[in-house]
Amino acid sequence: SQQGEEDPQALSIQEGENATMNCSYKTSINNLQWYRQNSGRGLVHLILIRSNEREKHSGRLRVTLDTSKKSSSLLITASRAADTASYFCATDGDMRFGAGTRLTVKP
Amino acid sequence: EAQVTQNPRYLITVTGKKLTVTCSQNMNHEYMSWYRQDPGLGLRQIYYSMNVEVTDKGDVPEGYKVSRKEKRNFPLILESPSPNQTSLYFCASSLHGNIQYFGAGTRLSVL
Repeated sequence: SQQGEEDPQALSIQEGENATMNCSYKTSINNLQWYRQNSGRGLVHLILIRSNEREKHSGRLRVTLDTSKKSSSLLITASRAADTASYFCATDGDMRFGAGTRLTVKP
Repeated sequence: EAQVTQNPRYLITVTGKKLTVTCSQNMNHEYMSWYRQDPGLGLRQIYYSMNVEVTDKGDVPEGYKVSRKEKRNFPLILESPSPNQTSLYFCASSLHGNIQYFGAGTRLSVL
């Protein structure tokens, strides 16, 4: 089975709130990536965090990595309706994905 | 423009009629993969290739074939499609198996 598993399966919030989703993985990694998928479209890479990094920022995205717990989190701050999408994590060398977290941001 | 191109985008066919979905990338990537996506099941890997003439099965390879004769192309072949292969298909490529770049998807209906 794939390395990364996202949690929760679904998340619904109001515009302006923060959204946090999590990823757990099974074996040691060199890096972990987060992707976004708008409905019916191909996944788009958002951010990559290396195993020697604990936190990384990109605009309104903040990713953390805890290698001791084999987990990562993606925080989207001040969410917008346009952030409505599914979010997936993947680890280096394992080109597979879990079921993702489906985020709905209500205007 | 760097991209992964899949064709066709939409396809309706009948059971048993052989079809090929093409995938081409212009980034000189070594890795290429095919996925299918069904509601509630996320993306499941069908086949992947780490280089020319090197292909391997993913999690759901039954009923599919692939070939990698050139670095840029990775076609997905359904020799005898069945209704349970109705799905949304994605091709992706990556340089070293890390960041993947996805095509726009092919929506296939098998009647």
